[in-house]
Amino acid sequence: QISLKESGPTLVKPTQTLTLTCTFSGFSLNTSGVAVGWIRQPPGKALEWLALIFWYGDEQYSPSLQNRLTITKDTSKNQVVLTLTHMDPVDTATYYCAHLGGFWSSHYFFDFWGQGTLVTVSS
Amino acid sequence: EIVLTQSPGTLSLSPGERATLSCRASQSVGSTYLAWYQQKPGQAPRLLIYGASNRATAIPDRFSGGGSGTDFTLTISRLEPEDFAVYYCQHYGGSPAFAFGQGTKLEIK
Repeated sequence: QISLKESGPTLVKPTQTLTLTCTFSGFSLNTSGVAVGWIRQPPGKALEWLALIFWYGDEQYSPSLQNRLTITKDTSKNQVVLTLTHMDPVDTATYYCAHLGGFWSSHYFFDFWGQGTLVTVSS
Repeated sequence: EIVLTQSPGTLSLSPGERATLSCRASQSVGSTYLAWYQQKPGQAPRLLIYGASNRATAIPDRFSGGGSGTDFTLTISRLEPEDFAVYYCQHYGGSPAFAFGQGTKLEIK
């Protein structure tokens, strides 16, 4: 079965770079049609999509954060890494990684999610 | 940029009642790319509906989705106690590639 889990720091200082790792099982990013995304949610607020990486290496980013985000994959470790530079208190949120479903049927949705990791930005 | 607006912000109903949640897109979108999620406190979102009207695996048939163009709905035919949660719609396509609505909180009356 598919599972994903986020890991990384729980507290970062303003201006620092956040690096989060999504470790997954039950699928491979070497397989056609597979993609993994990152979504965040500030406390008490709505979901915000951040980035997505496809099996063939294509990356997509939220335009509002594009200049601060990088998403990479390590297929040998079954991991996807997200970096977000110049952290600010407004970036305090729970960060989720998720498996993209429905690629081949042209339905793009997130069908499996990690439990999320709360990152607080504070000096 | 496609913006999804959900209404109402909060819906207060009793178990057994019917719930209708709305998701309106700022421009016409393909129903293929419209999904709905349920989120309970302290949990990750759970996929309910994809392609506007297809139930995800293991989702009870009291959940149904519909709509086209700019107006989409999620209907829960008879509310169970475990259905009280926050619901989000999501669209793929355009810029940003994925957009979420701001959510509708379904609370017990």
